[in-house]
Amino acid sequence: GAVVSQHPSRVICKSGTSVKIECRSLDFQATTMFWYRQFPKKSLMLMATSNEGSKATYEQGVEKDKFLINHASLTLSTLTVTSAHPEDSSFYICSARDRPRYEQYFGPGTRLTVT
Amino acid sequence: DQQVKQNSPSLSVQEGRISILNCDYTNSMFDYFLWYKKYPAEGPTFLISISSIKDKNEDGRFTVFLNKSAKHLSLHIVPSQPGDSAVYFCAASYTQGGSEKLVFGKGMKLTVNP
Repeated sequence: GAVVSQHPSRVICKSGTSVKIECRSLDFQATTMFWYRQFPKKSLMLMATSNEGSKATYEQGVEKDKFLINHASLTLSTLTVTSAHPEDSSFYICSARDRPRYEQYFGPGTRLTVT
Repeated sequence: DQQVKQNSPSLSVQEGRISILNCDYTNSMFDYFLWYKKYPAEGPTFLISISSIKDKNEDGRFTVFLNKSAKHLSLHIVPSQPGDSAVYFCAASYTQGGSEKLVFGKGMKLTVNP
């Protein structure tokens, strides 16, 4: 099946610094990538959708200047959490899809802890 | 407003028995439904899906049933195995503004006892 990787799997950073999370589709070209955030005991919340070569579409309530998303190639999307605060601590998961109306394949997630 | 609801937070069954996981939705625009399995600290893994034009889809031990009139779908796992123990998410897909979105339920923890 399709494989999606994320790096890093865990990151601890200090408040005020920026953190970049990479999402890669390893064996297929992802025309669309999604970024989700999961809060404890809650569902996956879609943050943004990114199509290769175009600007990401952010969900309501997600600050695009805080969560910078770049989808520079068909196999790589990055999420940069800028000026991180403790409330940004969460589990961030990306997913990728190679064509419309098909399943999304999820990465293993990144645990971000902001101290 | 929760558009995809998994009202039971957990389910415990004996190995070999059937596990039935339920999901309800409110948005009539959903036209594709999926089930994902998730282990702690990992991303969800796709299990099975169903289009809104169908009422049943089967893949090995997993069967998904869709009742559009009731806006209800269910995942049946039979026979259940201890390795099936995980959190299961129901998700529904729709198109908005030309892009497709997935909406997830809160998940349900399944425990299969040996």
